Amino acid sequence: AQSVAQPEDQVNVAEGNPLTVKCTYSVSGNPYLFWYVQYPNRGLQFLLKYITGDNLVKGSYGFEAEFNKSQTSFHLKKPSALVSDSALYFCAVSAVSGGYQKVTFGTGTKLQVIP
Amino acid sequence: DTGVSQDPRHKITKRGQNVTFRCDPISEHNRLYWYRQTLGQGPEFLTYFQNEAQLEKSRLLSDRFSAERPKGSFSTLEIQRTEQGDSAMYLCASSPGLAGAKNIQYFGAGTRLSVL
Repeated sequence: AQSVAQPEDQVNVAEGNPLTVKCTYSVSGNPYLFWYVQYPNRGLQFLLKYITGDNLVKGSYGFEAEFNKSQTSFHLKKPSALVSDSALYFCAVSAVSGGYQKVTFGTGTKLQVIP
Repeated sequence: DTGVSQDPRHKITKRGQNVTFRCDPISEHNRLYWYRQTLGQGPEFLTYFQNEAQLEKSRLLSDRFSAERPKGSFSTLEIQRTEQGDSAMYLCASSPGLAGAKNIQYFGAGTRLSVL
């Protein structure tokens, strides 16, 4: 079985400061990892994914994520937070199960960027 | 380029009534997924279509729930005899038909169901 843990329900950061949103995962085989963002009353928007290769993945809106196989982590980062980054962030792990792409999401982390 | 569209955006119904939601995926995507999201949780998988075939259903999908995707284009999710526990956001996602687990799923804005 695959699973994702986002240990922080909420992360507060001052505008201009670096931010980190944590994620750990469990999956059999090669991990395919995703980050999505959700704004109020909206669906999820894709930010970035790790498939293979460089452990530092760059995505949309200046976000990046660092894959660490030994720690089974895929933390989301941004060097300088904006107020507009305030949203709900979901980490997800994907694997083929029963012949289809099964995506399991974490419970989400609310990011609050304080002006 | 249109994304995934869902209709209605909001639905309020009384307990015991039937409701139907519609999802129009991105036109070239042959894979379609339904998820349910409750407050404080991530999306939970409900069911999956490849073209018109429903290939997987979650145990969350009780016999009051049925989904279809006639002709492999739009999809509908029907809930019969709604219960208050069905109140949630219902999300639809689509992805291209590449094999494996690398596909990005593109989500609609969701239908928020409130059962009174």
